[in-house]
This record gives sequence, C-alpha cells and structure tokens, in this order.
Amino acid sequence: RKEVEQDPGPFNVPEGATVAFNCTYSNSASQSFFWYRQDCRKEPKLLMSVYSSGNEDGRFTAQLNRASQYISLLIRDSKLSDSATYLCVVRGNQFYFGTGTSLTVIP
Amino acid sequence: GAVVSQHPSWVICKSGTSVKIECRSLDFQATTMFWYRQFPKQSLMLMATSNEGSKATYEQGVEKDKFLINHASLTLSTLTVTSAHPEDSSFYICSASPDYYGYTFGSGTRLTVV
Repeated sequence: RKEVEQDPGPFNVPEGATVAFNCTYSNSASQSFFWYRQDCRKEPKLLMSVYSSGNEDGRFTAQLNRASQYISLLIRDSKLSDSATYLCVVRGNQFYFGTGTSLTVIP
Repeated sequence: GAVVSQHPSWVICKSGTSVKIECRSLDFQATTMFWYRQFPKQSLMLMATSNEGSKATYEQGVEKDKFLINHASLTLSTLTVTSAHPEDSSFYICSASPDYYGYTFGSGTRLTVV
C-alpha cells in the first residue's frame, strides 16, 4: 500500500466553482501534513500546512482527520489561475508525496 | 523565506556523457538534502538522501554508481548522472528542510539525453 494516495483526477471545473480534494495516508504516526501546488514543468511550492484544527487561507481550506487518516483541500470560487497539480505531502520519518491531483479551471 | 537554488535549469547532453546538477541552500544550512526525480504525469519519487560529510542514502532501485551524490558542505549538494542514457531524461528536483515544518524545493533541472 502506498504511503500517500490521491485521486489523480483530472478535475475540470468552471470558474467560480468549489472543488475538494482528498488524500489518505497509511502511517498513523505521521506528524505533519501539507498541500503543495505544482505548475507544469515547475517545482512544487508550499500552498499551506494542515493543522488538526483545520486552517483557512483566503479561498483555500485545509482539514485533517486523524481518525480516518485523510487530509482535504477545499478551493472556493475557483480562478483560472488555480489550474495546477495539487500534491498532498505527509511527513513521517521522511516526506511522502501523493501522485498529485490535476485541476483545470475552465472559463 | 528559505531558498534552495538549483542549477542548471535545463540541460541537453549526449548519451554516454555525465551531467552534474547543483543544489544550494542560500540562507540556511542543510545537513540533509533530498534528490527527487519526476517523470511526465507522475509524482515526485525520492532517489536519495544526501548527508553532509557522509555517504548518501539511496532508495531501493536507484543505482548509486550511476547517480553520484556529493554533499561536501552544509549548503551544497551535487548530483552527477554518469553515463547518461535517454531513459535518464527526467525532471530532477532537490529539496531541503530549513526547519521541521518547512520543505523547500529547488527550481528543478530538466535533463534531456539524446
């Protein structure tokens, strides 16, 4: 079983839509959780950390469910510029990456 | 914020030659750096962990004699792809963690072997 699993998508949504991604992890002892954004042919960049209490940054909301071992990312009012691949990253004894979920926001 | 500089951004080389990629932490010291490879439409795959002053730790299936890693200082790690072949063409990314909560990537190197 993979350490981190994500639905690769692709998700194609119209501008203004709300979209949610989930990511599951296998190691219950995992300590830190992150969402990264990767644009085509670029390096991943940190979008936001994920805290147990949930956290919000503008249109983005991240949540952690330790009991079910998943994290989620919610994007409200999608913009064209949100089109990218979103990587779920979990830190245990090393960093583990999900395969990424591709999002395309359509005009 | 923490910056990891990676050079070159892209390189084209002939089959059989060697290519060196540099990864520098610009404003923090990194005793450990990580090297990843990413093929098109696939996720980042950890190749090896580079340890300052000691041997790198390679992931299963990664040839240590082909992918030479040197971490001679607290701010520089290098990856040398020796005797490169077309199947080595990929996007190589380094990273380092300036603190427990962060993880910063270099800008990546797109290697094309012809």
